[in-house]
Amino acid sequence: NAGVMQNPRHLVRRRGQEARLRCSPMKGHSHVYWYRQLPEEGLKFMVYLQKENIIDESGMPKERFSAEFPKEGPSILRIQQVVRGDSAAYFCASSPAGGLGQYGYTFGSGTRLTVV
Amino acid sequence: DQQVKQNSPSLSVQEGRISILNCDYTNSMFDYFLWYKKYPAEGPTFLISISSIKDKNEDGRFTVFLNKSAKHLSLHIVPSQPGDSAVYFCAASADDSWGKLQFGAGTQVVVTP
Repeated sequence: NAGVMQNPRHLVRRRGQEARLRCSPMKGHSHVYWYRQLPEEGLKFMVYLQKENIIDESGMPKERFSAEFPKEGPSILRIQQVVRGDSAAYFCASSPAGGLGQYGYTFGSGTRLTVV
Repeated sequence: DQQVKQNSPSLSVQEGRISILNCDYTNSMFDYFLWYKKYPAEGPTFLISISSIKDKNEDGRFTVFLNKSAKHLSLHIVPSQPGDSAVYFCAASADDSWGKLQFGAGTQVVVTP
């Protein structure tokens, strides 16, 4: 019973390139959350998606960032024209239904993006 | 706007003693609080939670206390073990927020022999 799978684990991009981060939720989970952790900080909410729908993107930067969760396949967080300030750990979490449930939701191991 | 604050970035405790981690929040709409534990290069893992209708929740060595009037919660770990060395995050959620979590900055706990 695989957990939340994120890939790649590490991603290096040059300034101006695009970064694509993938998240496969746990089996049977149709709700995905993306969080970002900047160095020396806590996790910050970015976006909440259900299959084919963005429910809450209040934490997403207005430009260059987008997210999707198609009917088939993983959720994708896309960062266009990356800058050094995008260097962070990006975590995905999934839940079977909207909300936290008794035990919170399950996080993946994250993708560490480094912009050089 | 930091709505969840963990003012102690680090804590060192001797094995077998009690670890006490503190967390303060400012948003009175928060009604569910969680503690996550995080090892380096891994995602956060759920540790324990508490609803705002309770003031204490206990699970084995871990107890979380909630003081709503002070907007303060704490996590007690007793006895502390070397495997408890990790970063601990306090997180909070409001009922109408789709499960969106606000995290504190974390407290690095080091358990020494």
